[in-house]
Amino acid sequence: AQSVTQPDIHITVSEGASLELRCNYSYGATPYLFWYVQSPGQGLQLLLKYFSGDTLVQGIKGFEAEFKRSQSSFNLRKPSVHWSDAAEYFCAVVLTGTASKLTFGTGTRLQVTL
Amino acid sequence: DTAVSQTPKYLVTQMGNDKSIKCEQNLGHDTMYWYKQDSKKFLKIMFSYNNKELIINETVPNRFSPKSPDKAHLNLHINSLELGDSAVYFCASSQGGTGNEQYFGPGTRLTVT
Repeated sequence: AQSVTQPDIHITVSEGASLELRCNYSYGATPYLFWYVQSPGQGLQLLLKYFSGDTLVQGIKGFEAEFKRSQSSFNLRKPSVHWSDAAEYFCAVVLTGTASKLTFGTGTRLQVTL
Repeated sequence: DTAVSQTPKYLVTQMGNDKSIKCEQNLGHDTMYWYKQDSKKFLKIMFSYNNKELIINETVPNRFSPKSPDKAHLNLHINSLELGDSAVYFCASSQGGTGNEQYFGPGTRLTVT
């Protein structure tokens, strides 16, 4: 079945440590790929997106993501996490020809310890 | 300046009532969306309008009726509210074209008692 999977429901990291959030998709063709962040009580903000080209994508707030076609993955990374990064992170896809219908993964809650 | 705004931010109502949520965007976008986020944080698209025309209509009960009076506004009316309708509803907008960034509003938390 077509899906977006975020295997980690909850991740805790120490401030200053590196971070990797996993995202896998299961579609016949490569979709457009996105990472969104939702801070508590807030709407969603786009961190970065991948359409084509360079498979390492830079985003806002020091985040980057790498697209790996062979693994159907689009993992989000940050070299050094700040306490303000604590939030819910969503991977999402748009399939071509679906009128920009975003399909979200189940989200990963990031907790940052000081 | 707020890009995508929603009113109200909180809505508490009883089962069986009818309520509306309003959304406005000042980004000049031509496409607007409604998403529902359930208690487990799962986000799912409900509707999308492009230039006031309905282009996405997921399997949503027909108690939910979106209305787009113009490109900058997309309202959501819900009839005969049920307990299961309790959720956070997000409005979003984008400039048409597959994969363009969607800008989200702050959400409306609907609680049905």
